[in-house]
Amino acid sequence: KNQVEQSPQSLIILEGKNCTLQCNYTVSPFSNLRWYKQDTGRGPVSLTIMTFSENTKSNGRYTATLDADTKQSSLHITASQLSDSASYICVVANSGYSTLTFGKGTMLLVSP
Amino acid sequence: EAQVTQNPRYLITVTGKKLTVTCSQNMNHEYMSWYRQDPGLGLRQIYYSMNVEVTDKGDVPEGYKVSRKEKRNFPLILESPSPNQTSLYFCASSPHGNNYGYTFGSGTRLTVV
Repeated sequence: KNQVEQSPQSLIILEGKNCTLQCNYTVSPFSNLRWYKQDTGRGPVSLTIMTFSENTKSNGRYTATLDADTKQSSLHITASQLSDSASYICVVANSGYSTLTFGKGTMLLVSP
Repeated sequence: EAQVTQNPRYLITVTGKKLTVTCSQNMNHEYMSWYRQDPGLGLRQIYYSMNVEVTDKGDVPEGYKVSRKEKRNFPLILESPSPNQTSLYFCASSPHGNNYGYTFGSGTRLTVV
Protein backbone atom coordinates (compact mmCIF):
# COMPACT_ATOMS: atom_id res chain seq x y z
CA LYS A 1 0.00 0.00 0.00
CA ASN A 2 1.28 3.45 -0.90
CA GLN A 3 2.08 5.48 2.19
CA VAL A 4 3.71 8.76 3.12
CA GLU A 5 4.84 9.28 6.70
CA GLN A 6 5.91 12.67 8.01
CA SER A 7 7.74 13.60 11.16
CA PRO A 8 7.55 15.30 13.49
CA GLN A 9 3.79 15.71 13.73
CA SER A 10 4.29 19.20 15.13
CA LEU A 11 7.18 21.49 15.88
CA ILE A 12 7.73 24.79 17.67
CA ILE A 13 10.85 26.83 16.92
CA LEU A 14 12.04 30.34 17.69
CA GLU A 15 12.01 32.96 14.98
CA GLY A 16 15.31 33.03 13.12
CA LYS A 17 16.16 29.39 13.81
CA ASN A 18 16.44 26.64 11.21
CA CYS A 19 14.45 23.43 11.12
CA THR A 20 14.17 20.22 9.12
CA LEU A 21 11.03 18.25 8.41
CA GLN A 22 11.12 14.61 7.36
CA CYS A 23 9.14 12.54 4.88
CA ASN A 24 9.40 8.77 4.27
CA TYR A 25 7.41 7.13 1.52
CA THR A 26 6.57 3.73 0.08
CA VAL A 27 4.97 4.80 -3.20
CA SER A 28 5.64 2.77 -6.31
CA PRO A 29 6.21 3.36 -9.15
CA PHE A 30 7.60 6.73 -8.13
CA SER A 31 7.13 9.79 -10.33
CA ASN A 32 7.82 12.85 -8.21
CA LEU A 33 7.72 14.24 -4.69
CA ARG A 34 6.27 17.59 -3.73
CA TRP A 35 6.30 19.74 -0.66
CA TYR A 36 3.35 22.04 -0.01
CA LYS A 37 2.80 24.77 2.54
CA GLN A 38 -0.73 25.10 3.86
CA ASP A 39 -1.82 28.03 5.96
CA THR A 40 -4.72 27.28 8.31
CA GLY A 41 -7.98 27.03 6.37
CA ARG A 42 -6.33 27.81 3.03
CA GLY A 43 -5.37 25.73 0.03
CA PRO A 44 -1.91 24.12 -0.16
CA VAL A 45 0.70 26.07 -2.07
CA SER A 46 3.52 24.31 -3.88
CA LEU A 47 7.06 24.83 -2.57
CA THR A 48 9.07 22.29 -4.55
CA ILE A 49 8.61 19.35 -6.87
CA MET A 50 11.40 16.81 -7.46
CA THR A 51 11.70 13.92 -9.86
CA PHE A 52 13.69 10.75 -9.40
CA SER A 53 16.89 12.26 -10.79
CA GLU A 54 16.87 15.36 -8.59
CA ASN A 55 18.28 15.20 -5.08
CA THR A 56 17.93 18.81 -4.02
CA LYS A 57 15.80 21.78 -4.93
CA SER A 58 15.52 25.21 -3.36
CA ASN A 59 12.81 27.82 -3.24
CA GLY A 60 14.08 30.83 -1.31
CA ARG A 61 14.62 29.81 2.31
CA TYR A 62 13.14 26.36 1.63
CA THR A 63 15.42 23.53 0.50
CA ALA A 64 14.09 20.06 -0.22
CA THR A 65 16.22 16.96 -0.57
CA LEU A 66 15.34 13.58 -2.00
CA ASP A 67 17.04 10.22 -1.54
CA ALA A 68 15.22 7.91 -3.93
CA ASP A 69 17.24 4.90 -2.76
CA THR A 70 16.10 5.16 0.86
CA LYS A 71 12.77 6.76 -0.13
CA GLN A 72 13.28 9.72 2.13
CA SER A 73 12.89 13.44 1.68
CA SER A 74 13.48 16.41 3.92
CA LEU A 75 12.45 20.04 3.88
CA HIS A 76 14.89 22.45 5.47
CA ILE A 77 13.73 25.93 6.43
CA THR A 78 16.43 28.50 6.99
CA ALA A 79 16.17 31.59 9.21
CA SER A 80 12.53 30.96 10.03
CA GLN A 81 9.97 33.77 10.03
CA LEU A 82 6.63 34.09 11.77
CA SER A 83 4.94 33.69 8.39
CA ASP A 84 6.44 30.21 8.09
CA SER A 85 3.92 29.03 10.69
CA ALA A 86 1.82 26.55 8.72
CA SER A 87 1.33 22.89 7.95
CA TYR A 88 3.88 21.37 5.57
CA ILE A 89 2.64 18.49 3.51
CA CYS A 90 4.73 15.93 1.66
CA VAL A 91 3.01 14.47 -1.39
CA VAL A 92 4.28 11.64 -3.56
CA ALA A 93 3.00 11.03 -7.07
CA ASN A 94 3.15 7.74 -8.87
CA SER A 95 3.38 7.43 -12.60
CA GLY A 96 0.11 8.16 -14.28
CA TYR A 97 -2.83 10.44 -13.85
CA SER A 98 -4.64 9.73 -10.72
CA THR A 99 -2.70 8.86 -7.66
CA LEU A 100 -1.17 11.30 -5.26
CA THR A 101 -0.39 10.01 -1.79
CA PHE A 102 -0.51 12.72 0.84
CA GLY A 103 1.26 12.79 4.15
CA LYS A 104 -0.68 14.09 7.14
CA GLY A 105 1.59 17.08 7.43
CA THR A 106 3.89 18.64 9.99
CA MET A 107 2.42 21.59 11.85
CA LEU A 108 5.14 24.22 12.34
CA LEU A 109 4.77 27.10 14.76
CA VAL A 110 7.40 29.83 14.66
CA SER A 111 7.42 31.70 17.93
CA PRO A 112 8.70 35.28 18.40
CA GLU B 1 -4.01 35.82 -12.51
CA ALA B 2 -3.80 32.04 -12.86
CA GLN B 3 -6.02 30.50 -10.23
CA VAL B 4 -8.53 27.91 -9.13
CA THR B 5 -11.71 29.49 -7.81
CA GLN B 6 -14.08 27.68 -5.49
CA ASN B 7 -17.47 28.85 -4.30
CA PRO B 8 -18.81 29.19 -1.75
CA ARG B 9 -16.03 29.68 0.75
CA TYR B 10 -18.27 28.67 3.67
CA LEU B 11 -21.53 26.76 3.64
CA ILE B 12 -23.84 25.51 6.37
CA THR B 13 -26.66 23.26 5.25
CA VAL B 14 -29.11 20.71 6.59
CA THR B 15 -29.07 16.97 6.11
CA GLY B 16 -30.56 15.87 2.81
CA LYS B 17 -30.60 19.24 1.05
CA LYS B 18 -28.80 18.95 -2.29
CA LEU B 19 -25.89 21.31 -2.81
CA THR B 20 -23.21 22.07 -5.37
CA VAL B 21 -19.74 23.44 -4.77
CA THR B 22 -18.33 25.06 -7.87
CA CYS B 23 -14.74 24.95 -9.07
CA SER B 24 -13.33 26.88 -12.00
CA GLN B 25 -9.78 27.22 -13.33
CA ASN B 26 -8.46 29.72 -15.88
CA MET B 27 -5.25 27.91 -16.85
CA ASN B 28 -6.64 25.57 -19.51
CA HIS B 29 -5.62 22.61 -17.35
CA GLU B 30 -6.75 19.16 -18.45
CA TYR B 31 -6.69 17.54 -15.03
CA MET B 32 -8.94 18.53 -12.12
CA SER B 33 -9.60 16.88 -8.81
CA TRP B 34 -11.57 17.21 -5.58
CA TYR B 35 -10.21 16.50 -2.11
CA ARG B 36 -11.56 16.60 1.38
CA GLN B 37 -9.44 17.35 4.41
CA ASP B 38 -10.31 16.19 7.88
CA PRO B 39 -8.30 16.58 11.10
CA GLY B 40 -5.75 13.82 11.51
CA LEU B 41 -6.50 12.30 8.11
CA GLY B 42 -4.83 14.61 5.65
CA LEU B 43 -6.13 15.22 2.15
CA ARG B 44 -8.15 12.45 0.52
CA GLN B 45 -9.19 12.37 -3.10
CA ILE B 46 -12.91 12.26 -3.87
CA TYR B 47 -13.09 12.36 -7.68
CA TYR B 48 -10.82 13.41 -10.48
CA SER B 49 -11.14 14.24 -14.16
CA MET B 50 -8.51 13.77 -16.83
CA ASN B 51 -10.38 15.85 -19.39
CA VAL B 52 -13.83 16.92 -20.54
CA GLU B 53 -16.42 14.17 -20.01
CA VAL B 54 -13.79 11.92 -18.36
CA THR B 55 -14.19 11.43 -14.61
CA ASP B 56 -13.23 8.71 -12.15
CA LYS B 57 -13.51 7.86 -8.48
CA GLY B 58 -10.82 8.65 -5.99
CA ASP B 59 -10.39 7.16 -2.54
CA VAL B 60 -13.61 8.43 -0.91
CA PRO B 61 -16.28 8.93 -3.62
CA GLU B 62 -19.35 7.74 -1.68
CA GLY B 63 -22.04 10.40 -1.40
CA TYR B 64 -20.54 12.67 -4.07
CA LYS B 65 -21.01 13.27 -7.78
CA VAL B 66 -19.05 15.34 -10.26
CA SER B 67 -19.36 16.44 -13.85
CA ARG B 68 -16.92 17.85 -16.40
CA LYS B 69 -18.95 19.32 -19.24
CA GLU B 70 -16.38 21.99 -20.02
CA LYS B 71 -12.67 22.18 -19.42
CA ARG B 72 -12.65 25.02 -16.94
CA ASN B 73 -15.40 23.82 -14.56
CA PHE B 74 -15.56 20.82 -12.26
CA PRO B 75 -18.48 21.08 -9.81
CA LEU B 76 -18.85 18.80 -6.79
CA ILE B 77 -22.41 17.71 -6.08
CA LEU B 78 -23.77 16.35 -2.83
CA GLU B 79 -27.19 14.92 -3.65
CA SER B 80 -28.17 14.22 -0.04
CA PRO B 81 -25.57 15.62 2.35
CA SER B 82 -25.02 13.95 5.69
CA PRO B 83 -23.17 15.17 8.81
CA ASN B 84 -20.17 12.91 8.03
CA GLN B 85 -19.58 15.06 4.95
CA THR B 86 -18.79 18.03 7.15
CA SER B 87 -15.27 18.83 6.04
CA LEU B 88 -12.92 21.23 4.30
CA TYR B 89 -13.00 20.68 0.53
CA PHE B 90 -10.36 21.61 -2.01
CA CYS B 91 -10.42 21.64 -5.77
CA ALA B 92 -7.12 21.34 -7.63
CA SER B 93 -5.99 21.43 -11.22
CA SER B 94 -2.91 20.39 -13.15
CA PRO B 95 -1.83 20.78 -16.77
CA HIS B 96 -1.69 17.06 -17.36
CA GLY B 97 -1.85 14.62 -14.47
CA ASN B 98 0.79 13.72 -11.93
CA ASN B 99 3.90 14.94 -13.70
CA TYR B 100 3.05 18.55 -13.01
CA GLY B 101 2.41 20.58 -9.93
CA TYR B 102 -1.12 21.12 -8.74
CA THR B 103 -2.80 24.46 -8.14
CA PHE B 104 -5.28 24.33 -5.28
CA GLY B 105 -8.32 26.47 -4.67
CA SER B 106 -8.80 28.33 -1.40
CA GLY B 107 -11.16 25.74 0.00
CA THR B 108 -14.82 25.39 0.94
CA ARG B 109 -15.68 24.74 4.55
CA LEU B 110 -18.90 22.74 4.61
CA THR B 111 -20.96 22.04 7.71
CA VAL B 112 -23.93 19.67 7.49
CA VAL B 113 -26.28 19.79 10.48
